[in-house]
Amino acid sequence: GEDVEQSLFLSVREGDSSVINCTYTDSSSTYLYWYKQEPGAGLQLLTYIFSNMDMKQDQRLTVLLNKKDKHLSLRIADTQTGDSAIYFCAESPGNTGKLIFGQGTTLQVKP
Amino acid sequence: DVKVTQSSRYLVKRTGEKVFLECVQDMDHENMFWYRQDPGLGLRLIYFSYDVKMKEKGDIPEGYSVSREKKERFSLILESASTNQTSMYLCASTTTREQYFGPGTRLTVT
Repeated sequence: GEDVEQSLFLSVREGDSSVINCTYTDSSSTYLYWYKQEPGAGLQLLTYIFSNMDMKQDQRLTVLLNKKDKHLSLRIADTQTGDSAIYFCAESPGNTGKLIFGQGTTLQVKP
Repeated sequence: DVKVTQSSRYLVKRTGEKVFLECVQDMDHENMFWYRQDPGLGLRLIYFSYDVKMKEKGDIPEGYSVSREKKERFSLILESASTNQTSMYLCASTTTREQYFGPGTRLTVT
């Protein structure tokens, strides 16, 4: 079935790089997504990657996709305290528009 | 900018009450979704709609129904609220590529 897995918690020091990992199961997903949720807020789309790409970079964010292993990662360079949030990975199986989310990874940034 | 709004940020209801959660989007999107978010479980899809008066069950539809009478509005209904429906409810509106989320409604059922 469809399933997305993430680790639940990551703690880094300000200025370090953060890497959040995700595995998914549905190879039919055309796009794979990263969302950010700050405390008390809804989900904000951070970035997405087309399934025929291996990497996408957007300022401090780098997304890596390994289709063979169905593994997606989000790297945040020079992590700041404002990056503290929950990060969700999601796949879109069958391109129906509905998303299957991971459990979310809480990123804690220590000063 | 796409705007997805939800009628309430916080709601407290009693067990057995009928609860309406409203979601409105202003971008003429055809697809709209209702999710619930619980710690450690991520977001789970309750219902979705691809057009006016159309609805499809998601992964956890039990205890919920929906209404889509107008394109811009998608309502989630709890016919008889129960304590296990205490959760954060998120509405989303989508293009073919991106989903836009509302701020969420934190519902507490006592």
